[in-house]
Amino acid sequence: KAGVTQTPRYLIKTRGQQVTLSCSPISGHRSVSWYQQTPGQGLQFLFEYFSETQRNKGNFPGRFSGRQFSNSRSEMNVSTLELGDSALYLCASSLSASGTKETQYFGPGTRLLVL
Amino acid sequence: AQTVTQSQPEMSVQEAETVTLSCTYDTSESNYYLFWYKQPPSRQMILVIRQEAYKQQNATENRFSVNFQKAAKSFSLKISDSQLGDTAMYFCAYSGSARQLTFGSGTQLTVLP
Repeated sequence: KAGVTQTPRYLIKTRGQQVTLSCSPISGHRSVSWYQQTPGQGLQFLFEYFSETQRNKGNFPGRFSGRQFSNSRSEMNVSTLELGDSALYLCASSLSASGTKETQYFGPGTRLLVL
Repeated sequence: AQTVTQSQPEMSVQEAETVTLSCTYDTSESNYYLFWYKQPPSRQMILVIRQEAYKQQNATENRFSVNFQKAAKSFSLKISDSQLGDTAMYFCAYSGSARQLTFGSGTQLTVLP
């Protein structure tokens, strides 16, 4: 089975722009979660989607948004980019959101640099 | 809110030796899962091992094993016969009723030849 894929792998944007990142989960996985990784804040949960519905959201401003499509692919969008948004954005998928037992498998990440 | 603490920012070990990485967590939940992920220089997050809180038996995966002490809220990772490919950042993570992963700050492990 193919793993979680994320596109693009690298991205350079300037302040004020917006960006859209894409994540394709492992085939059959219905839950997609997004995490932000920075040297200062470490790994932080952004949000989780299951069956096209946002099930959980972390403590991030409204500039961060996401969605999930019927094929479980997910996108996250960051509007009005700030320098502090520079980070590695990781997507993880799991079979379902049925409970705590599901293991999350990660993609290779998208490195975003905001200038 | 749950918290995960890794008190060892960096560790090193000689090839073929054994090393133990520490992790403590805080939660009021009774049903949860704990994970160790490794992140090599490629930045790909790779699952190493997972432990279900209701299972008393410690999980093992080949050279990797955990020491899960539920009452002490401790979850350490032991790597036996360390290999150069084990060099990576290791993250301890918690997953409870909210399903989101809460990560520790990580331990950078370097395996020395």
